[in-house]
Amino acid sequence: AQSVTQPDIHITVSEGASLELRCNYSYGATPYLFWYVQSPGQGLQLLLKYFSGDTLVQGIKGFEAEFKRSQSSFNLRKPSVHWSDAAEYFCAVGVQAGTALIFGKGTTLSVSS
Amino acid sequence: GAVVSQHPSWVICKSGTSVKIECRSLDFQATTMFWYRQFPKQSLMLMATSNEGSKATYEQGVEKDKFLINHASLTLSTLTVTSAHPEDSSFYICSADGVGGKTEAFFGQGTRLTVV
Repeated sequence: AQSVTQPDIHITVSEGASLELRCNYSYGATPYLFWYVQSPGQGLQLLLKYFSGDTLVQGIKGFEAEFKRSQSSFNLRKPSVHWSDAAEYFCAVGVQAGTALIFGKGTTLSVSS
Repeated sequence: GAVVSQHPSWVICKSGTSVKIECRSLDFQATTMFWYRQFPKQSLMLMATSNEGSKATYEQGVEKDKFLINHASLTLSTLTVTSAHPEDSSFYICSADGVGGKTEAFFGQGTRLTVV
């Protein structure tokens, strides 16, 4: 069965520091890959997605992610974190149209001043 | 981009009553919609898959008689929580499958249900 692992439950970074959130997936082929952000009490906002092509994907708010097939990973990065980036981040996998995305358990990002 | 509107954003109801949550795709047709439930500080748990014109497919452990799903048109799916109890209090989120078969889900803003 497909699965998504986000190894880090909670990460704290200093404002202005770089960020990397990890995501690994288990699937026999290359899935569709997504990163979402969720602020408290809010819905999900899509940060970026990977379907095919260039393995380095640029998203909104200065985020990027790199798909590494050999490591089954799709890690999210940002070179300089802002206090407003504090939120919950979810990695998700889609395997085919008409089926639901499979979500990781999420990583809570805290930003310290 | 595609927009999914979920209504209401929050609702408080008395124990034993029913609550209906609507999920609409505003600028595209969604053959398939999904309903998720999210407990505090947890991930999204898929409750059911809703296909237009047919019965919803429920995930294991989800009571289909408690969580009634209707997908009567290509732009509207509804989730009705029947005979709600405090343990049904949660954050419910819907999503609609994207166009072009690319499995890109568009999410509603969620509904915070509190049963008192």
